[in-house]
Parts: sequence; C-alpha cells; structure tokens
Amino acid sequence: QVQLVESGGGLVKPGGSLRLSCAASGFTFSDYYMSWIRQAPGKGLEWVSYISSSGSTIYYADSVKGRFTISRDNAKNSLYLQMNSLRAEDTAVYYCARDQGYCSGGSCSWYFDLWGRGTLVTVSS
Amino acid sequence: QSVLTQPPSVSAAPGQKVTISCSGSSSNIGNNYVSWYQQLPGTAPKLLIYDNNKRPSGIPDRFSGSKSGTSATLGITGLQTGDEADYYCGTWDSSLSALVFGGGTKLTVL
Repeated sequence: QVQLVESGGGLVKPGGSLRLSCAASGFTFSDYYMSWIRQAPGKGLEWVSYISSSGSTIYYADSVKGRFTISRDNAKNSLYLQMNSLRAEDTAVYYCARDQGYCSGGSCSWYFDLWGRGTLVTVSS
Repeated sequence: QSVLTQPPSVSAAPGQKVTISCSGSSSNIGNNYVSWYQQLPGTAPKLLIYDNNKRPSGIPDRFSGSKSGTSATLGITGLQTGDEADYYCGTWDSSLSALVFGGGTKLTVL
C-alpha cells in the first residue's frame, strides 16, 4: 500500500526541540524528492522544506531557515524534520508529502501527489 | 498574507458549477505551473490538478483547471455535497525560491 505515515509530534515548550519522522511504503522512496508542509490550526497550507532524492539539494522556507533541518535515510525509507528553537507560531499539523516536478525552459512544475495524515506539533508553555 | 490570492469562500447549489480563482504574479503563476488540492474536513490535502490542467488518475472530469497570465482557475461541475471542502492552489515562486500556496477557499454546497 502506497502511504506516508508521520510520527513524533507532541507538546513542547517555546525554545524546545522536536524531531518528526515520516515512514514511506509501497513505492521506491529513494526515487523521489520529499517535502514537509504545515498547517496551523484553522489556517492554510505552508510549505516548510524540501529535500532531493539523494539529499544533496535542500530548500527551506524563510520562516524556519536556521532552526529546522530536513534529512532522509533512503535505506530506512524515512524522512525527518529536526525542529529547534521552536516558537508558538510553529504550532501546526506537519504533513510529509511526495514531490513531483521538473523545470524546463525557465518554467517549473512542482506539486505533491501523495500526503501523509499529519502529526500535530504544539508549542506552548 | 499569502503570496497567491484566493477568495475565502464560494458557494453553489448541488448540480451547479463553481469556479475558484487564484491570483499571483509573474514570478509565480505567470511563469510556472499551477496545482490544486482538495482538503476535506479533518483530512490531509489531496492532489486534484497539476501542470495547470492535468488530472491525476482517479480524479473525475468534473474537476478542471486553467491558467491565463498570472491567474489560475479551478472549475467544478455537477456539484455534490461531498465536494464541500477547502481548496488550495500552489506553484513555485522563482523570486522566493519557494513553493507557495494560496490562502484557501472554502466551498459550500448549499
């Protein structure tokens, strides 16, 4: 069964750290780029970070740059998000998503064709 | 404030057609491809449209996408109560080097 399952969410105090994991199954994980996307309570979607299939290329949203680190272990079919210096505004459901896309002739296509169910991170004292 | 602008809500009766707009700029929609996602209450988003107007396997042809200049549109025909959801547009922004989403549109089927 093709699926992504996130884990590791929970309640953490401001300034604290948390590590999220995403377990992939049913497809060749090492062939795909992957992203983390979050959704604050009652709010819209916000892309957080992206990692290429080999892990050699990584992007972050400005809101998390310098605090969050994305990584992957292709041997374990797993994606990770290390979150440090957490703030109240990081409170959200964090989704793991499989990327599809390409750039050609100056135009890029980038979309997410498979999503996990999400894991809730709450940052509060 | 989202980089892409969507109406907060739209509504229509069962069986009718509705369109949802997504407005951006030359650095995002104007020069890149748009995707659309459906998020049913309490669930994860699901891909509806990619590359402006392509449907993944399993998505009915009641859902369609189009793009003109710096705006994109999602169309849904033959509305059903099960279509009540939040809809998001997304695309790459070349200036920000980031994937950006619209703020989302809540569809109500009256």
